[in-house]
This record gives sequence, structure tokens and C-alpha cells, in this order.
Amino acid sequence: AQSVTQPDIHITVSEGASLELRCNYSYGATPYLFWYVQSPGQGLQLLLKYFSGDTLVQGIKGFEAEFKRSQSSFNLRKPSVHWSDAAEYFCAVGGSYSYFGNEKLTFGTGTRLTIIP
Amino acid sequence: DVKVTQSSRYLVKRTGEKVFLECVQDMDHENMFWYRQDPGLGLRLIYFSYDVKMKEKGDIPEGYSVSREKKERFSLILESASTNQTSMYLCASGRNTEAFFGQGTRLTVV
Repeated sequence: AQSVTQPDIHITVSEGASLELRCNYSYGATPYLFWYVQSPGQGLQLLLKYFSGDTLVQGIKGFEAEFKRSQSSFNLRKPSVHWSDAAEYFCAVGGSYSYFGNEKLTFGTGTRLTIIP
Repeated sequence: DVKVTQSSRYLVKRTGEKVFLECVQDMDHENMFWYRQDPGLGLRLIYFSYDVKMKEKGDIPEGYSVSREKKERFSLILESASTNQTSMYLCASGRNTEAFFGQGTRLTVV
């Protein structure tokens, strides 16, 4: 069965500092990987996704993520955070062998990001 | 822009009531999903549908059912609401590319 681990429940970062959110996945075939962001009281917005090809993926709002198959990881990074980045971030994995793979997702438990001035 | 609309943002229901959560999408997507979101547990899939009148159980279907009579609409039904179904419910739709989420319905069962 597929699974996702986000080991950090809560991270606090100073505005302007760099950010890395960790994500490890378990999947028996080629994974489809996603990062979503959820602002308070809102639904989920897709930041970026990896299906194949270049292992460094660029997303919206200045975020990027790197797929490392050997480490089963898909960590999210941003070089300089802004106060508006405060939100909850979810990593998710979908199945490449499934017709529903891109949407039938297994989510991690999320990482809450706090930004301090 | 893709739009996934959930009919209620907040809902309060009594134990034992039959509850309907409605979701409508405007992008002609075949696939629609209902997730439940709880603190510390992330999102868990309740049910999904890949066509009109077709449905599949997700990871936590107990206590729920679904209905998809039209392509654009996917309803989640709590047959007899219980307090442990108090949660945030998120609907999503997609067509083998990515999932688009609604704003969520925060359901409280008292």
C-alpha cells in the first residue's frame, strides 16, 4: 500500500529565510508526487507535481521540489519565505499504474508553517 | 478557472440525522472524490466516482455513502450522523491530470 510521511508537524521560519519541508513516500511503482498548500479556512491548492523526467520540479509561488528515488523523498524548498507562505503543506502520492493515479491520492499528515517577522 | 463548489462552508447537525454534503464541478471531469480531513491525520479518502452512477470505496467508507446521478454533481451522505463524523470534508474532481479541491465543509455533529 502507498503511504506518505511528513516528519515535521510544525516548522517556524523567519521571513526571508530559506525553507525545506520533508516528504518521504512508499510506493511499489513509479510514483506521481504532489505538494499542496492549504491556507486557513481554504481548500487545497496545487503547488507542484512530479510525474517523470527532470527530478527538480518548479511550482507556483517560487516553490520547487526535488524527487530522489534512492531516498524515496520529495522535499519542498523555497529560497526565501514570505509572511503569506504561512499555511499547512501536504505531500501526496498517486499511483502511476492506476487510471485514477493522478487524483486518487494518499496524503501525508501535513506540516504547519509559521513565519515570524 | 476550474471551479469545485461545495454547497455549505459550515454545517451543524444532530446525532442520528441524515446529512447530505453536495459538491459540483464545472469542468466536465469524469473523476470526483470525497476526502475527510482531521488534525494529525491529513486527508483520507472516503469514496470516489469515475463516472455517473459508478462509485468505489476509499480508505474509510464506513458510515458514509455517495450518489452521482449527474456528471457534475457528487454527493456524500451520512446515513445516521455520529459525533465521530465531526470533521472537515473536502471534495475534489479531476481527469487524470491533477485534482482540484473545493473549499471544504466543516461539519459538526452534536
